[in-house]
Amino acid sequence: DTGVSQDPRHKITKRGQNVTFRCDPISEHNRLYWYRQTLGQGPEFLTYFQNEAQLEKSRLLSDRFSAERPKGSFSTLEIQRTEQGDSAMYLCASTLNMNTEAFFGQGTRLTVV
Amino acid sequence: DQQVKQNSPSLSVQEGRISILNCDYTNSMFDYFLWYKKYPAEGPTFLISISSIKDKNEDGRFTVFLNKSAKHLSLHIVPSQPGDSAVYFCAASAFGPSGTYKYIFGTGTRLKVLA
Repeated sequence: DTGVSQDPRHKITKRGQNVTFRCDPISEHNRLYWYRQTLGQGPEFLTYFQNEAQLEKSRLLSDRFSAERPKGSFSTLEIQRTEQGDSAMYLCASTLNMNTEAFFGQGTRLTVV
Repeated sequence: DQQVKQNSPSLSVQEGRISILNCDYTNSMFDYFLWYKKYPAEGPTFLISISSIKDKNEDGRFTVFLNKSAKHLSLHIVPSQPGDSAVYFCAASAFGPSGTYKYIFGTGTRLKVLA
């Protein structure tokens, strides 16, 4: 297993367009997180899945954001009607248990022009 | 409300000397603490962690110290090497009010090791 994989690595989109990102966690990890990081900040929690259940969604996520993990394996994060403020690095992480480290993917860099 | 704080945005250290990165937290429910290293345009890479029941954990050149009474942890890198130059994030984890176990990150400290 090569770790957490994210696709695409980079995405440039025009304001108002929809974008979708994919995350493939480490195969046996049942816990999956999405974070967002902007310049000068640490990763900020967006949402969490345990298996296929989305158990928490941050107040940072407006209704334009939706995430799924349909079979408890890969996850997708969709942003509808993108805005310039959505420009950020979107990070996915997975872990097997609590009190262990979360492993991050390489991230998807979104630029909204 | 910044629950995990890294008050030093940057740090410069000579190669071979000790680097000390600091982190403070406010939530006494945090039970696990981690340090991550991040290079530009990449995701954070796990470095070292410590459980709240311990006060020290060592892994090669990296040692993390936890002072629960002061709600403070630090990462020591000895000896520092130019390849250690990166942004270091402190993180803490616990169950939140909704029952989700999640990781809260500080804003990072940029370490520059000078050759």
